[in-house]
Parts: sequence; C-alpha cells; structure tokens
Amino acid sequence: GENVEQHPSTLSVQEGDSAVIKCTYSDSASNYFPWYKQELGKRPQLIIDIRSNVGEKKDQRIAVTLNKTAKHFSLHITETQPEDSAVYFCAGYAGGTSYGKLTFGQGTILTVHP
Amino acid sequence: SAVISQKPSRDICQRGTSLTIQCQVDSQVTMMFWYRQQPGQSLTLIATANQGSEATYESGFVIDKFPISRPNLTFSTLTVSNMSPEDSSIYLCSVDGAGGAFFGQGTRLTVV
Repeated sequence: GENVEQHPSTLSVQEGDSAVIKCTYSDSASNYFPWYKQELGKRPQLIIDIRSNVGEKKDQRIAVTLNKTAKHFSLHITETQPEDSAVYFCAGYAGGTSYGKLTFGQGTILTVHP
Repeated sequence: SAVISQKPSRDICQRGTSLTIQCQVDSQVTMMFWYRQQPGQSLTLIATANQGSEATYESGFVIDKFPISRPNLTFSTLTVSNMSPEDSSIYLCSVDGAGGAFFGQGTRLTVV
C-alpha cells in the first residue's frame, strides 16, 4: 500500500518568513495529494490539493508543488502569520474516484513567532 | 462542502465497555470513512463504509473490534468494542465533498 513520509516534524519560523514542508510517497499510482491544517482541538481542514496532472498550484499565500518522477510534493507558505501556527498533514491517494481513502504523513507542527 | 456532525464530541469510558459514535451528513454520500488519530499522532484509516454492504477494513483493524453500520446514504456508526486504554484516541468520520475529503469534528475518547 501507499506510504507517505513527511518532513520536518517541527518547524519554527518568524512572522513574515516562508515555510516549506515536504512529503514523499511510495505508490507511483497515487494521483491526488491534499494538505490539511489542524488547529489544536479542531478537525483537519483541507487547505489545498494537487492532482498528478499538475505540477504546481497556488492559492494566495499557499502553494503546492508535485514532482511525479521523484515522488515528492511540497507545501509552501509565504508571508507566514501567527494564525498559520498549526499541525499540517500531507496525504496521498491512489486510484478510484473517491478522495476519502487517504494515507497521511506524520504531520508537521508549524509555529510562527510574532 | 458537506456538513458533517459527530456525536458524542467526547466521552470517558470504562475499560471493557463499548461506545458507539454517530456520524450524520447533510447530503447523500456513497462512501463514508472512519479514521483514528491517536494522541499527538497522524490520522489512520480504520475502514470504508458503503451503504448496503459490509465495511472494508484496513490492515490492523477488524470488524469484531470496530463494527460499523451504514443504514443509509447520510448516516454511519462506528462502535469501539471491549475498550482498553490503548483505544483512547480521536475518532473522525470523513466524506467526499466537492473537490476533496472533509472531516467531522471528531469524537475524543478516553478509556480509563
């Protein structure tokens, strides 16, 4: 089955800096890669996703890149703000029409210092 | 995106007992998913619940421990049976929505 590795496990940045979180996956059939943000005590929230036919996707301060050859994808957050502090999870999905059967990475605790 | 409601939001249970968690969605969905998030850990898929058929369990999870019902296209239950302290986790249901998978608010279970 799919295996998703995520790095780093913790990331500390100053407000206004950029943050980058990287994930690798094992199943070359994987074709959908979402990113979730989970604040303390809250449910995971989908913040951005990318499909295997696209190399990059941006949404305001958030971008995701995908390298299918190397089987890795990354989340980039620019101009970080304290409210970006949370746990971020990458995930991978292989095959079918359902987005719900996901394999998650281990998570990255992002702390943005004012 | 779909509105997903879980009940209870939290519970403290005695070891050896069972707890049934409910998940209600405001629209019809083909598949519903149950995840476990152990303290400070990532999310792990327990099973996929389809209406009208047996749930499909992931490696390491069995029906006797986590029986699932899916009586219609908007509702599912997950039971955590014969609980031990190791079952203390957050249990989340998830559904496919427009453009992705979305989660309920979770059920925080503590087994004492």
